[in-house]
Amino acid sequence: EAAVTQSPRNKVAVTGGKVTLSCNQTNNHNNMYWYRQDTGHGLRLIHYSYGAGSTEKGDIPDGYKASRPSQENFSLILELATPSQTSVYFCASGAGTGGQAPLFGEGTRLSVL
Amino acid sequence: GEKVEQHESTLSVREGDSAVINCTYTDTASSYFPWYKQEAGKSLHFVIDIRSNVDRKQSQRLIVLLDKKAKRFSLHITATQPEDSAIYFCAASIRPDTNAYKVIFGKGTHLHVLP
Repeated sequence: EAAVTQSPRNKVAVTGGKVTLSCNQTNNHNNMYWYRQDTGHGLRLIHYSYGAGSTEKGDIPDGYKASRPSQENFSLILELATPSQTSVYFCASGAGTGGQAPLFGEGTRLSVL
Repeated sequence: GEKVEQHESTLSVREGDSAVINCTYTDTASSYFPWYKQEAGKSLHFVIDIRSNVDRKQSQRLIVLLDKKAKRFSLHITATQPEDSAIYFCAASIRPDTNAYKVIFGKGTHLHVLP
């Protein structure tokens, strides 16, 4: 069964610390995405990837890095976490043709104190 | 940059009535438009989509309309039920270069189905 798995599901971090959010998909999808969801802003695209080794900036990439070491894994890295990065983060994967709805993970709730 | 605007932030309807959520997009090259439902505290789940080669698609009580000239698409939920209460997101697939597709979302519509 198609699945996108995020870890951790919940994370509390300190300001200035490094945070890594991980995402794994078993769907053999080329495209993977990281979004954040905030009240009043909906879902905003942070970074995306079209295959192993590629990362592309989305609409709000500042303060975030991404890594796609393999087809299955896509990480979001906050090198110096700030309270403004407190949010719910969603990873998704989708087919390479762009004509298929991305499948979402369950989300990671991140609090930066 | 490219945008998807979702016009209704909140929508309340009586059970059994229809609900309509409207979205517009800016990228004329967009060709695929999925819709998602998010229940409280949960992730997003795909509900229906439409491709640019058609202007209408129906799946049970859900109907999606696409007007390419106006760059507008809409979700119609007929005979609403309490379990339809959720946040609905529209989205558009954009191809910024030959290798990549990205999917951008509207801000969401919180649908309340009242008894």
